[in-house]
Amino acid sequence: AQTVTQSQPEMSVQEAETVTLSCTYDTSESDYYLFWYKQPPSRQMILVIRQEAYKQQNATENRFSVNFQKAAKSFSLKISDSQLGDAAMYFCAYRQGAQKLVFGQGTRLTINP
Amino acid sequence: DTGVSQDPRHKITKRGQNVTFRCDPISEHNRLYWYRQTLGQGPEFLTYFQNEAQLEKSRLLSDRFSAERPKGSFSTLEIQRTEQGDSAMYLCASSPRVITPQETQYFGPGTRLLVL
Repeated sequence: AQTVTQSQPEMSVQEAETVTLSCTYDTSESDYYLFWYKQPPSRQMILVIRQEAYKQQNATENRFSVNFQKAAKSFSLKISDSQLGDAAMYFCAYRQGAQKLVFGQGTRLTINP
Repeated sequence: DTGVSQDPRHKITKRGQNVTFRCDPISEHNRLYWYRQTLGQGPEFLTYFQNEAQLEKSRLLSDRFSAERPKGSFSTLEIQRTEQGDSAMYLCASSPRVITPQETQYFGPGTRLLVL
């Protein structure tokens, strides 16, 4: 079974600085998708960024970018120019085809003003 | 389009009672997913539907849990004889017919259940 591990329960960063959240996963498949979701306090989960495993190029969405290392099964999220609104739980997730999402345990990100 | 909606947002019940939650997906999304999220953890998959067909059930979904999507639109999740361990956030998500890299699951706000 596929598993997703986030080894950092909590992270904090100064406003305007850069922070990297780590994620590793385990799968025997070669074709899959990886996601980072953001869950602000008492608000619904929203997609931050996605990566297709067959693409070597790392995905980027404005201030958010990933470092996808397929051989190492690593998928980290970098947030540049951190803003107060970035404070949330961040979940790394794996999906194969049209199937369910498998989530990591989450990382709570705090932004210090 | 107002997104995925869930009702109720909060539910407090006594152990042994039955509860039912409703999820309304984004219109024209034919896939609907239920997840459970306990405090401080990531969501865990429970079950999913394609139209009205329930295609997969997690072993987390004991026989006290039942989910339906009778007309391929909204879905209900019922928990019978609730236990304190059922206390969690129940999340619903939907996705379009064709899953492409450009599409993903869109989540509702969740129903927070507390079993006393």
